[in-house]
Amino acid sequence: NAGVTQTPKFQVLKTGQSMTLQCAQDMNHNSMYWYRQDPGMGLRLIYYSASEGTTDKGEVPNGYNVSRLNKREFSLRLESAAPSQTSVYFCASSSNRNRNTEAFFGQGTRLTVV
Amino acid sequence: AQSVTQLGSHVSVSEGALVLLRCNYSSSVPPYLFWYVQYPNQGLQLLLKYTSAATLVKGINGFEAEFKKSETSFHLTKPSAHMRDAAEYFCAVLHSGGYNKLIFGAGTRLAVHP
Repeated sequence: NAGVTQTPKFQVLKTGQSMTLQCAQDMNHNSMYWYRQDPGMGLRLIYYSASEGTTDKGEVPNGYNVSRLNKREFSLRLESAAPSQTSVYFCASSSNRNRNTEAFFGQGTRLTVV
Repeated sequence: AQSVTQLGSHVSVSEGALVLLRCNYSSSVPPYLFWYVQYPNQGLQLLLKYTSAATLVKGINGFEAEFKKSETSFHLTKPSAHMRDAAEYFCAVLHSGGYNKLIFGAGTRLAVHP
């Protein structure tokens, strides 16, 4: 059972370049999320998607766009990368049938912007 | 607004000693609380969750946490630390606005020495 799969695992970008982080889940979850993890700040929500066809901003959405391609896939795009976007990015998914269900996380993408 | 505060960004214990990782929450509604663990270069894995069924919650790998409303706390404990427990631990509260969004604390890095 693959769970949540993210690609790529590592990426180095130059300032101003663009890229898309891919995420797919095979658990038939309705909700999907993108977080970024920075030292001393825990995980902060960038965007989330409650269901196929809907997306909403989280705590730190500036500089990012997302696309919920279908129920399985939720991508995160950086249109013009900046050094402040150097971080570890995590995709997660959860069932939203009950409010107490946990989120399942991918392995992360370590992004460096130089 | 809901939030969690983890006291101590770094905790160091000897193998076999008690592990205590502190988490305090702020919530205007009865909270759903979670503890996640992150091993080096891995994603987050659920340790345990509080969903109001019982105040003492047992999780995986011998960890447990007690919900104390009077103290607004949800501290994580383990009677005897193992070397393999060395990791980063995150406390999180479920956002009351729906869609199972998690609000994370800054994390506590646990070191276990022989």
